[in-house]
Amino acid sequence: DSGVTQTPKHLITATGQRVTLRCSPRSGDLSVYWYQQSLDQGLQFLIQYYNGEERAKGNILERFSAQQFPDLHSELNLSSLELGDSALYFCASSVAGGQTNEKLFFGSGTQLSVL
Amino acid sequence: GQNIDQPTEMTATEGAIVQINCTYQTSGFNGLFWYQQHAGEAPTFLSYNVLDGLEEKGRFSSFLSRSKGYSYLLLKELQMKDSASYLCAVRVAWGYSTLTFGKGTMLLVSP
Repeated sequence: DSGVTQTPKHLITATGQRVTLRCSPRSGDLSVYWYQQSLDQGLQFLIQYYNGEERAKGNILERFSAQQFPDLHSELNLSSLELGDSALYFCASSVAGGQTNEKLFFGSGTQLSVL
Repeated sequence: GQNIDQPTEMTATEGAIVQINCTYQTSGFNGLFWYQQHAGEAPTFLSYNVLDGLEEKGRFSSFLSRSKGYSYLLLKELQMKDSASYLCAVRVAWGYSTLTFGKGTMLLVSP
């Protein structure tokens, strides 16, 4: 158990809908990262928050947004869902902002299926 | 940007040794990580290299050559439970930064 909690584990929804994925980082970790994993693209970085503020942005679509709350938990919002958004979404956390030897600890993921 | 290449699949036999290679091209380099991921599960940290050379940790070792943009993960005394995907990830040098992952190498260990 990494200490990173993600909910829900599975989500099935329809095209055009909006969903929210939730993540609680390990106790004491200030950074939260969101990654998307699909079979053909591998693990793709979406966005990072550090202590409540956006720190880095990857290949995140405009239909997706995220935030980190004062208690450091984070939510990833996916809207106007398309079939191609079906993937495993991982949250990870780290103790600081991404220093040289800083490891990322991953949650167990949310499997999103868009039908 | 970064480009990270790993073989897609490898097979090996229980008890054997396997080497999984990773090459990377990046505009800056600040460390290379290896993660293990079993199907449908979270990636878990295996090793970290920032200087050239070999880092050994039990049955697993990882090597880095910064001048060649090359790393490998060496798994000894393979066990069935080592069947998993192995992800190579690079951190770039510009201040605080995230990890960029390769697509992973699926290792199948057979009896």
